[in-house]
Amino acid sequence: ETGVTQSPTHLIKTRGQQVTLRCSSQSGHNTVSWYQQALGQGPQFIFQYYREEENGRGNFPPRFSGLQFPNYSSELNVNALELDDSALYLCASSLWVGANTGELFFGEGSRLTVL
Amino acid sequence: AQSVTQLDSQVPVFEEAPVELRCNYSSSVSVYLFWYVQYPNQGLQLLLKYLSGSTLVKGINGFEAEFNKSQTSFHLRKPSVHISDTAEYFCAVTTYNTDKLIFGTGTRLQVFP
Repeated sequence: ETGVTQSPTHLIKTRGQQVTLRCSSQSGHNTVSWYQQALGQGPQFIFQYYREEENGRGNFPPRFSGLQFPNYSSELNVNALELDDSALYLCASSLWVGANTGELFFGEGSRLTVL
Repeated sequence: AQSVTQLDSQVPVFEEAPVELRCNYSSSVSVYLFWYVQYPNQGLQLLLKYLSGSTLVKGINGFEAEFNKSQTSFHLRKPSVHISDTAEYFCAVTTYNTDKLIFGTGTRLQVFP
């Protein structure tokens, strides 16, 4: 059983650029969530994807967008990067069966630095 | 809506001493509660979780937590810590009808020899 994998692990961008982060969910999971963890803070929920559609969104602007693919993998896209977007981006996968199963597994994260 | 408060931003402790990391939550509905650990430059690892049933939950690495509904708390404990327990610990809450987690701000556990 493979765990949640994310790529790239580290990347550096400049203000105004765009970035795409990728996540492969754990085998058997059908839902992917993305979290942003700024330095010294707890993770903040960005959005969740279930059956290739957005299923809930946190307090993040529209320049944060995502996709989920038929194999349940996912992408997080951020346009017009700002300095405050520098953070660790965490992907988590879970199995949604109409109720919370309590099984949520995180990847190692992608650390984005915006200069 | 739910919220989580971790009362201590840092907890220093000597090796082999007991430790308690405090977590309080707020919610108008029944909750599921989690503790995650984050080692430097790594992702989040689940320590333990409370979904229902026994209020005393045992997790990995010798940690345990007790769900106290009347005090809306879910404190994490370990009777004897090791140097390797040095890490950031996050308490998180969610409910039965969503698996979106609300995290606390974290507690940095620093274990000294």
